[in-house]
Amino acid sequence: GNSVTQMEGPVTLSEEAFLTINCTYTATGYPSLFWYVQYPGEGLQLLLKATKADDKGSNKGFEATYRKETTSFHLEKGSVQVSDSAVYFCALNPNAGGTSYGKLTFGQGTILTVHP
Amino acid sequence: GAVVSQHPSWVICKSGTSVKIECRSLDFQATTMFWYRQFPKQSLMLMATSNEGSKATYEQGVEKDKFLINHASLTLSTLTVTSAHPEDSSFYICSARKREWNNEQFFGPGTRLTVL
Repeated sequence: GNSVTQMEGPVTLSEEAFLTINCTYTATGYPSLFWYVQYPGEGLQLLLKATKADDKGSNKGFEATYRKETTSFHLEKGSVQVSDSAVYFCALNPNAGGTSYGKLTFGQGTILTVHP
Repeated sequence: GAVVSQHPSWVICKSGTSVKIECRSLDFQATTMFWYRQFPKQSLMLMATSNEGSKATYEQGVEKDKFLINHASLTLSTLTVTSAHPEDSSFYICSARKREWNNEQFFGPGTRLTVL
C-alpha cells in the first residue's frame, strides 16, 4: 500500500534559520506529491506540489523536489519567519490509473515553531 | 477561487445525540468530496469518498451506519455522526475536488466535535 513518512517533530527554530522537514514515501507507479500547511485552528492549505520526478514545487519561499531515486520530497526554506509556525503535512496522490486515484495519503505531520 | 466551507466550525453535544456537519464548495462544483478525521497531533485519516448522486465509499474500519454521508448536490456534502459518543470527539475535515482539476483537493477549515 501507499505510505508517507515524515520526520518527527516538533521542530523549533529561531527566525531566519534554515528549515528542512524530511518526507519519504512508498507507492507504486508515479504518484503526485504535496506539502500542506495547517495553521492553528484552521484547515489544510496546499503549500506546494510536484507531479513527476525531478519536478520542484515552490511557494512562499518553500521548496521541495520530487526525487524518485530516493523516494523523497523534503521541504526546505532558507529563512523561516514566526508566521511559518504551523503543522506541515506531506502527502501523496497515487497513480491516476489506479482505483485509489484522488485519495490522499498523509504523513503524520510535523509541528514547526519559530521563535523571534 | 476554490473555497470550501464547513458548518458548524465547532459543536458540543451530549452522548447519544446525532450531529450533522455540512461541507460546501462555494465557488465551484465539486464532483467528489472527501471526509477526513484528525485526532489531536496526528495525521488525517480518510473516512469516506463521496461522489455526487451516488453512495459514499467508506474506508476499511469506518462504520457507515455511524457516519452517514450524503452528497446531494455538486456543492454540498453532509456528514452525520449518529448516536455520538465521547470517542467520536475529533476534528472532522472535508475536501472537495473538481474533475477538471485532476488530483488537487481543496480543504475546508474543519469542524471540532466534542461529545460529552
